[in-house]
Amino acid sequence: AQSVSQHNHHVILSEAASLELGCNYSYGGTVNLFWYVQYPGQHLQLLLKYFSGDPLVKGIKGFEAEFIKSKFSFNLRKPSVQWSDTAEYFCAVNDISNFGNEKLTFGTGTRLTIIP
Amino acid sequence: SAVISQKPSRDICQRGTSLTIQCQVDSQVTMMFWYRQQPGQSLTLIATANQGSEATYESGFVIDKFPISRPNLTFSTLTVSNMSPEDSSIYLCSVVGGIYGYTFGSGTRLTVV
Repeated sequence: AQSVSQHNHHVILSEAASLELGCNYSYGGTVNLFWYVQYPGQHLQLLLKYFSGDPLVKGIKGFEAEFIKSKFSFNLRKPSVQWSDTAEYFCAVNDISNFGNEKLTFGTGTRLTIIP
Repeated sequence: SAVISQKPSRDICQRGTSLTIQCQVDSQVTMMFWYRQQPGQSLTLIATANQGSEATYESGFVIDKFPISRPNLTFSTLTVSNMSPEDSSIYLCSVVGGIYGYTFGSGTRLTVV
């Protein structure tokens, strides 16, 4: 079964610092990849997704992620974080090589705290 | 992308009782998914609900505890049965579709006392 690892459980940064959150998945088939954000007290929002094509994808709010198939990774980056980026970030993977199985598997999440 | 209306948004329930959560989608979808997010944790898939067939449950979740109905292509319910405090979580439904891939309901925050 697919599993998703987010090794950074809690990241604390100062404003304007650069951010990189790691995400690795276990299964080497054809996958769709997602990053979701959950602001305090709010529901999940999609930051960005990768389906195919350019492995460097850009999302909302200045976030981007790079899909490296050889490393089974989909790391999230932002060059300069803001206090408003304080939130929980979830990586998710959908294994589409298993026809009809469209369920998403989520990582354990990374809590990001930005210090003003 | 699809719009999901999920209710109730929150509830406080007595242990031993049951709560039914509803999800209404504004378009027809084949698959609907039910997730649980326990406090401070990630989302765990409970089951996949297809219209016209039995739901498929993930390991650790059983139909007697989390019965699911899927009477048509736009609606589903999840019941949390015989609740205990350990069932206190946020429950979310999700569908596949549109350019965003997946859409999530706003969630039901359940507290069992």
